[in-house]
Amino acid sequence: AQTVTQSQPEMSVQEAETVTLSCTYDTSESDYYLFWYKQPPSRQMILVIRQEAYKQQNATENRFSVNFQKAAKSFSLKISDSQLGDAAMYFCAYRPGGGADGLTFGKGTHLIIQP
Amino acid sequence: DVKVTQSSRYLVKRTGEKVFLECVQDMDHENMFWYRQDPGLGLRLIYFSYDVKMKEKGDIPEGYSVSREKKERFSLILESASTNQTSMYLCASITAGQGGNEQFFGPGTRLTVL
Repeated sequence: AQTVTQSQPEMSVQEAETVTLSCTYDTSESDYYLFWYKQPPSRQMILVIRQEAYKQQNATENRFSVNFQKAAKSFSLKISDSQLGDAAMYFCAYRPGGGADGLTFGKGTHLIIQP
Repeated sequence: DVKVTQSSRYLVKRTGEKVFLECVQDMDHENMFWYRQDPGLGLRLIYFSYDVKMKEKGDIPEGYSVSREKKERFSLILESASTNQTSMYLCASITAGQGGNEQFFGPGTRLTVL
Protein backbone atom coordinates (compact mmCIF):
# COMPACT_ATOMS: atom_id res chain seq x y z
CA ALA A 1 0.00 0.00 0.00
CA GLN A 2 1.11 3.51 -0.71
CA THR A 3 1.93 5.87 2.13
CA VAL A 4 2.50 9.61 2.23
CA THR A 5 4.41 11.23 5.07
CA GLN A 6 4.48 14.89 6.02
CA SER A 7 6.90 15.27 8.91
CA GLN A 8 6.11 18.90 9.76
CA PRO A 9 2.78 19.30 11.58
CA GLU A 10 3.24 23.06 11.63
CA MET A 11 5.46 25.63 9.92
CA SER A 12 5.73 29.37 10.39
CA VAL A 13 7.19 31.92 7.99
CA GLN A 14 7.44 35.69 7.77
CA GLU A 15 5.42 37.40 5.10
CA ALA A 16 7.42 37.79 1.84
CA GLU A 17 9.87 35.03 2.86
CA THR A 18 10.23 31.58 1.32
CA VAL A 19 9.12 28.37 2.98
CA THR A 20 9.49 24.71 2.03
CA LEU A 21 7.05 22.00 3.08
CA SER A 22 8.32 18.43 3.08
CA CYS A 23 6.66 15.28 1.79
CA THR A 24 7.91 11.76 1.27
CA TYR A 25 6.01 8.83 -0.13
CA ASP A 26 6.36 5.14 -0.61
CA THR A 27 5.13 3.20 -3.63
CA SER A 28 6.16 0.31 -5.82
CA GLU A 29 4.39 1.83 -8.84
CA SER A 30 6.33 3.47 -11.65
CA ASP A 31 3.43 5.51 -13.01
CA TYR A 32 1.84 7.88 -10.55
CA TYR A 33 0.98 11.48 -9.80
CA LEU A 34 1.72 13.70 -6.83
CA PHE A 35 -0.27 16.69 -5.69
CA TRP A 36 -0.24 19.49 -3.17
CA TYR A 37 -3.64 20.64 -1.95
CA LYS A 38 -4.35 23.69 0.16
CA GLN A 39 -7.20 23.87 2.68
CA PRO A 40 -7.82 27.38 4.06
CA PRO A 41 -10.12 28.01 7.03
CA SER A 42 -13.09 27.93 4.63
CA ARG A 43 -12.36 24.16 4.41
CA GLN A 44 -12.48 24.17 0.59
CA MET A 45 -9.73 21.96 -0.81
CA ILE A 46 -7.82 23.73 -3.58
CA LEU A 47 -5.30 22.12 -5.90
CA VAL A 48 -2.01 24.00 -5.70
CA ILE A 49 0.25 22.00 -7.99
CA ARG A 50 0.65 18.56 -9.50
CA GLN A 51 3.59 16.48 -10.74
CA GLU A 52 3.67 13.52 -13.10
CA ALA A 53 6.20 10.93 -11.98
CA TYR A 54 7.58 10.30 -15.45
CA LYS A 55 8.36 13.98 -15.97
CA GLN A 56 11.82 14.98 -14.81
CA GLN A 57 11.09 18.69 -14.82
CA ASN A 58 9.76 20.09 -11.56
CA ALA A 59 6.30 21.63 -11.76
CA THR A 60 5.83 25.34 -11.08
CA GLU A 61 2.73 27.48 -10.66
CA ASN A 62 3.54 31.15 -10.10
CA ARG A 63 4.99 31.41 -6.55
CA PHE A 64 4.63 27.67 -5.96
CA SER A 65 7.17 25.12 -7.11
CA VAL A 66 8.10 21.57 -6.22
CA ASN A 67 11.34 19.72 -5.77
CA PHE A 68 10.59 16.21 -7.04
CA GLN A 69 13.27 13.65 -6.26
CA LYS A 70 11.93 10.39 -7.67
CA ALA A 71 14.72 8.12 -6.48
CA ALA A 72 14.45 9.51 -2.95
CA LYS A 73 10.63 9.50 -3.16
CA SER A 74 10.54 13.08 -2.00
CA PHE A 75 8.13 15.80 -3.13
CA SER A 76 8.58 19.12 -1.34
CA LEU A 77 6.61 22.33 -1.95
CA LYS A 78 8.34 25.70 -2.04
CA ILE A 79 6.30 28.84 -1.57
CA SER A 80 8.12 32.03 -2.54
CA ASP A 81 7.18 35.54 -1.43
CA SER A 82 4.75 34.18 1.16
CA GLN A 83 1.47 36.06 1.48
CA LEU A 84 -1.09 36.19 4.27
CA GLY A 85 -3.53 34.35 2.01
CA ASP A 86 -1.17 31.38 1.90
CA ALA A 87 -2.02 30.55 5.52
CA ALA A 88 -3.74 27.15 5.41
CA MET A 89 -3.36 23.42 5.88
CA TYR A 90 -1.31 21.90 3.09
CA PHE A 91 -1.73 18.28 2.12
CA CYS A 92 0.56 16.20 -0.02
CA ALA A 93 -1.26 13.47 -1.96
CA TYR A 94 -0.49 10.52 -4.22
CA ARG A 95 -2.51 8.78 -6.92
CA PRO A 96 -1.58 5.81 -9.14
CA GLY A 97 -1.43 6.44 -12.88
CA GLY A 98 -4.42 4.40 -13.94
CA GLY A 99 -7.72 3.16 -12.60
CA ALA A 100 -10.31 4.91 -10.50
CA ASP A 101 -8.42 5.07 -7.22
CA GLY A 102 -8.76 7.90 -4.76
CA LEU A 103 -5.94 10.00 -3.39
CA THR A 104 -3.69 8.91 -0.56
CA PHE A 105 -3.03 11.92 1.65
CA GLY A 106 -0.38 12.87 4.16
CA LYS A 107 -1.45 14.15 7.56
CA GLY A 108 -0.98 17.76 6.57
CA THR A 109 1.17 20.76 7.50
CA HIS A 110 -0.38 23.82 9.08
CA LEU A 111 1.31 26.88 7.56
CA ILE A 112 1.28 30.11 9.56
CA ILE A 113 2.21 33.38 7.92
CA GLN A 114 3.61 36.00 10.30
CA PRO A 115 2.88 39.61 9.18
CA ASP B 1 -17.74 26.94 -13.02
CA VAL B 2 -17.28 23.39 -11.79
CA LYS B 3 -19.06 22.48 -8.63
CA VAL B 4 -19.36 19.74 -6.04
CA THR B 5 -22.04 20.38 -3.47
CA GLN B 6 -22.80 18.63 -0.21
CA SER B 7 -26.21 18.68 1.39
CA SER B 8 -25.15 20.14 4.75
CA ARG B 9 -22.22 22.12 6.12
CA TYR B 10 -23.00 21.10 9.69
CA LEU B 11 -25.00 18.17 10.99
CA VAL B 12 -25.76 16.97 14.51
CA LYS B 13 -27.16 13.48 15.03
CA ARG B 14 -27.72 11.12 17.93
CA THR B 15 -26.05 7.77 18.48
CA GLY B 16 -27.89 5.02 16.63
CA GLU B 17 -29.52 7.29 14.06
CA LYS B 18 -29.28 6.51 10.35
CA VAL B 19 -27.46 9.36 8.65
CA PHE B 20 -27.37 10.28 4.96
CA LEU B 21 -24.73 12.59 3.53
CA GLU B 22 -25.47 13.66 -0.01
CA CYS B 23 -23.05 14.82 -2.67
CA VAL B 24 -23.87 16.17 -6.13
CA GLN B 25 -21.49 17.15 -8.92
CA ASP B 26 -22.36 19.00 -12.10
CA MET B 27 -19.28 18.10 -14.15
CA ASP B 28 -20.48 14.76 -15.56
CA HIS B 29 -17.61 13.04 -13.74
CA GLU B 30 -17.48 9.26 -13.71
CA ASN B 31 -15.61 8.81 -10.44
CA MET B 32 -16.78 10.01 -7.05
CA PHE B 33 -15.25 9.65 -3.59
CA TRP B 34 -16.01 10.03 0.09
CA TYR B 35 -13.20 10.98 2.46
CA ARG B 36 -13.12 11.46 6.18
CA GLN B 37 -10.87 14.19 7.66
CA ASP B 38 -9.68 14.13 11.26
CA PRO B 39 -7.09 16.40 12.90
CA GLY B 40 -3.64 14.87 12.76
CA LEU B 41 -4.79 12.08 10.44
CA GLY B 42 -5.31 13.92 7.16
CA LEU B 43 -7.93 12.66 4.74
CA ARG B 44 -8.75 8.98 4.50
CA LEU B 45 -10.75 7.32 1.76
CA ILE B 46 -13.99 5.65 2.86
CA TYR B 47 -15.60 4.54 -0.41
CA PHE B 48 -15.47 5.41 -4.06
CA SER B 49 -17.53 4.77 -7.17
CA TYR B 50 -16.41 4.67 -10.80
CA ASP B 51 -19.88 4.26 -12.32
CA VAL B 52 -23.55 4.24 -11.48
CA LYS B 53 -24.42 1.44 -9.05
CA MET B 54 -20.72 0.54 -8.72
CA LYS B 55 -18.82 0.98 -5.47
CA GLU B 56 -15.44 0.08 -4.07
CA LYS B 57 -14.18 0.08 -0.49
CA GLY B 58 -11.49 2.52 0.43
CA ASP B 59 -9.19 2.39 3.42
CA ILE B 60 -11.77 2.79 6.20
CA PRO B 61 -15.17 1.46 5.02
CA GLU B 62 -16.27 -0.06 8.33
CA GLY B 63 -19.51 1.45 9.62
CA TYR B 64 -20.33 3.11 6.29
CA SER B 65 -22.14 2.27 3.09
CA VAL B 66 -22.73 4.21 -0.12
CA SER B 67 -25.24 4.55 -2.88
CA ARG B 68 -24.90 5.79 -6.42
CA GLU B 69 -28.16 5.60 -8.33
CA LYS B 70 -27.42 8.51 -10.66
CA LYS B 71 -24.14 9.61 -12.17
CA GLU B 72 -24.17 13.02 -10.53
CA ARG B 73 -25.09 11.89 -7.01
CA PHE B 74 -23.11 9.87 -4.45
CA SER B 75 -24.50 9.27 -0.98
CA LEU B 76 -22.67 8.20 2.16
CA ILE B 77 -24.77 6.31 4.69
CA LEU B 78 -24.06 5.73 8.35
CA GLU B 79 -26.42 2.88 9.20
CA SER B 80 -26.19 3.43 12.95
CA ALA B 81 -24.18 6.51 13.83
CA SER B 82 -21.64 6.26 16.63
CA THR B 83 -19.66 8.93 18.45
CA ASN B 84 -16.42 7.80 16.79
CA GLN B 85 -17.92 8.84 13.46
CA THR B 86 -17.88 12.47 14.54
CA SER B 87 -15.70 13.99 11.84
CA MET B 88 -15.49 16.13 8.72
CA TYR B 89 -16.69 14.37 5.57
CA LEU B 90 -15.52 15.49 2.16
CA CYS B 91 -16.91 14.41 -1.18
CA ALA B 92 -14.88 14.63 -4.38
CA SER B 93 -15.20 13.83 -8.05
CA ILE B 94 -12.91 13.39 -11.03
CA THR B 95 -13.25 12.57 -14.67
CA ALA B 96 -12.14 9.09 -15.66
CA GLY B 97 -8.86 8.60 -17.44
CA GLN B 98 -5.48 9.88 -16.40
CA GLY B 99 -4.64 9.77 -12.75
CA GLY B 100 -3.28 13.28 -12.92
CA ASN B 101 -6.64 14.90 -13.48
CA GLU B 102 -7.70 17.32 -10.79
CA GLN B 103 -9.98 15.90 -8.15
CA PHE B 104 -12.64 18.49 -7.22
CA PHE B 105 -13.86 18.66 -3.64
CA GLY B 106 -17.09 19.72 -2.00
CA PRO B 107 -17.08 22.15 0.94
CA GLY B 108 -17.33 19.38 3.53
CA THR B 109 -19.92 18.34 6.12
CA ARG B 110 -18.94 18.55 9.76
CA LEU B 111 -20.88 15.77 11.48
CA THR B 112 -21.26 15.58 15.23
CA VAL B 113 -22.73 12.42 16.75
CA LEU B 114 -23.93 12.88 20.32
